[in-house]
Amino acid sequence: QQPVQSPQAVILREGEDAVINCSSSKALYSVHWYRQKHGEAPVFLMILLKGGEQKGHEKISASFNEKKQQSSLYLTASQLSYSGTYFCGTEKNSGYALNFGKGTSLLVTP
Amino acid sequence: DTEVTQTPKHLVMGMTNKKSLKCEQHMGHRAMYWYKQKAKKPPELMFVYSYEKLSINESVPSRFSPECPNSSLLNLHLHALQPEDSALYLCASSQDSHVVGETQYFGPGTRLLVL
Repeated sequence: QQPVQSPQAVILREGEDAVINCSSSKALYSVHWYRQKHGEAPVFLMILLKGGEQKGHEKISASFNEKKQQSSLYLTASQLSYSGTYFCGTEKNSGYALNFGKGTSLLVTP
Repeated sequence: DTEVTQTPKHLVMGMTNKKSLKCEQHMGHRAMYWYKQKAKKPPELMFVYSYEKLSINESVPSRFSPECPNSSLLNLHLHALQPEDSALYLCASSQDSHVVGETQYFGPGTRLLVL
């Protein structure tokens, strides 16, 4: 089951904040967040696990609501380098690879 | 070092050609993955290798044939592809495929064009 991301696209001015959401209809073990710039590989940002553990970059913050099977990625004081497509990936169960959402396109303008 | 390398960067092939994509990692990871990504779409899982054995095949057509010669290398052999197979092929690796919350590290991809 593919997770659902929202919004599909967002345009920000430098310094503004944004929230990207990811939800699933199935029970989740973890949520992974990646950013991909055009023509490049997805770059790992953060993993959120059931029970509250998080692993990732210090400047990125995110939340994981286990009951609602939802995760949100918080981008604060956005920089031009934040532009790209953000994907959330979910593990359907322990020992499986990632099922990615359709992505959220983020553009930060000067 | 969290680098996954892939060769070639770009590949153009005809429908009758046979070619191979290569992926390499030296992080000691025991799980390796092939994903296919079409333009403006998310990566789609194709294969998972765990400890050099194929553990997941996502119903991929037989014209794609994966191979894991050792724990650092992953190949994808291509034969009789169709134009709709044109895409970015991404390789990824993680410490293990059977542990929740393992980070997957992606290579830069091979951009394939089938004529």
